[in-house]
Amino acid sequence: DTAVSQTPKYLVTQMGNDKSIKCEQNLGHDTMYWYKQDSKKFLKIMFSYNNKELIINETVPNRFSPKSPDKAHLNLHINSLELGDSAVYFCASSQAHRLAGADEQFFGPGTRLTVL
Amino acid sequence: AQSVSQHNHHVILSEAASLELGCNYSYGGTVNLFWYVQYPGQHLQLLLKYFSGDPLVKGIKGFEAEFIKSKFSFNLRKPSVQWSDTAEYFCAVKTSGTYKYIFGTGTRLKVLA
Repeated sequence: DTAVSQTPKYLVTQMGNDKSIKCEQNLGHDTMYWYKQDSKKFLKIMFSYNNKELIINETVPNRFSPKSPDKAHLNLHINSLELGDSAVYFCASSQAHRLAGADEQFFGPGTRLTVL
Repeated sequence: AQSVSQHNHHVILSEAASLELGCNYSYGGTVNLFWYVQYPGQHLQLLLKYFSGDPLVKGIKGFEAEFIKSKFSFNLRKPSVQWSDTAEYFCAVKTSGTYKYIFGTGTRLKVLA
């Protein structure tokens, strides 16, 4: 009954490979996010979807492509992996409202990606 | 651009000491404020949040935070820390008119037993 789940938890791969990370939430939220946390623990927003629509697309290389098949799922596909992509990727969800009264974000357990 | 500053990057305390972690944001409009904690090897969990009303907010595990609008601050406090409070603490702000949550750079707290 995990609220926000991610798979896989660990991902070790070679440079140049393509990989995907999956995220699912069972909280009934309508907004999902992808964050990248680097080795200094800095959390950087990458993407966000609201009701399957892309609403936040930060300055991220085109090699990263999110996909939201439905409100409960947000996947992240990464092409041509580079050493600098090594990080922990967190998925989060919330019942966010653009104007006010936002609810908190619920985070998944993270996916530790290591590119060799 | 909106930003969140956490001035203390590393804090080391002995058990039973009092804690105050600073958080300042730059935005003049309506804000929602959050503190998250990340224990070693784990995901972020909510400690407390402020939307409106009483500016002194109580959270879990004895933490509290005070919203001071005039200072654009939302500092986190705990009167007596425990070894188990060793973690990374993140302040986050969501502003009206956007879905984006802006996180500070985090404060690493180490509590010595």
